[in-house]
Amino acid sequence: EAGVVQSPRYKIIEKKQPVAFWCNPISGHNTLYWYLQNLGQGPELLIRYENEEAVDDSQLPKDRFSAERLKGVDSTLKIQPAELGDSAVYLCASSLNPLKASGANVLTFGAGSRLTVL
Amino acid sequence: GDSVTQMEGPVTLSEEAFLTINCTYTATGYPSLFWYVQYPGEGLQLLLKATKADDKGSNKGFEATYRKETTSFHLEKGSVQVSDSAVYFCALKGGAQKLVFGQGTRLTINP
Repeated sequence: EAGVVQSPRYKIIEKKQPVAFWCNPISGHNTLYWYLQNLGQGPELLIRYENEEAVDDSQLPKDRFSAERLKGVDSTLKIQPAELGDSAVYLCASSLNPLKASGANVLTFGAGSRLTVL
Repeated sequence: GDSVTQMEGPVTLSEEAFLTINCTYTATGYPSLFWYVQYPGEGLQLLLKATKADDKGSNKGFEATYRKETTSFHLEKGSVQVSDSAVYFCALKGGAQKLVFGQGTRLTINP
């Protein structure tokens, strides 16, 4: 079974340019997460989707960040315009619907997209 | 809000040494607790988990026990190998269904 697939793995852009990251979750996983991981830090949640609905986007900087999951499967995270401080790894994860899964609801992570803003 | 505090790294050990990485948490209710591992150049992988007090999670020789009285979930391994070199993250998931991570502990094992 394929895991969570993210692309691109690496992206280098100049500040003020736009950038987009794509995520394909594990088949059958209704819940999708985008996390931000700064160097030397633990991941921090940006947004969580249940199917196509964003149920927790309180940590998403909405002035420059946007995300969508139109058909409840793949998701895209966009930054426009990018700033130097956005250099980080953007992680996508997926899990079964926590209300339907028994026991601890385990997240499976993709390999991440490393962004460098110059 | 919910939070996780991990032992600061980096940690450097010799092969076959005993490992402990401390983790304590703050949460309302009864969270599930996890250890994730991130090998160089790879994504986060679940190492082990525990869903209720006194549960012991184990995998690949690693163990951690959910201690509600001390709000801790320390990671241990009796004999580490060079291949265990990685960054280890303690995490919790509470009622908000949000996975909250500690800052990570970098472990290096020397042959």
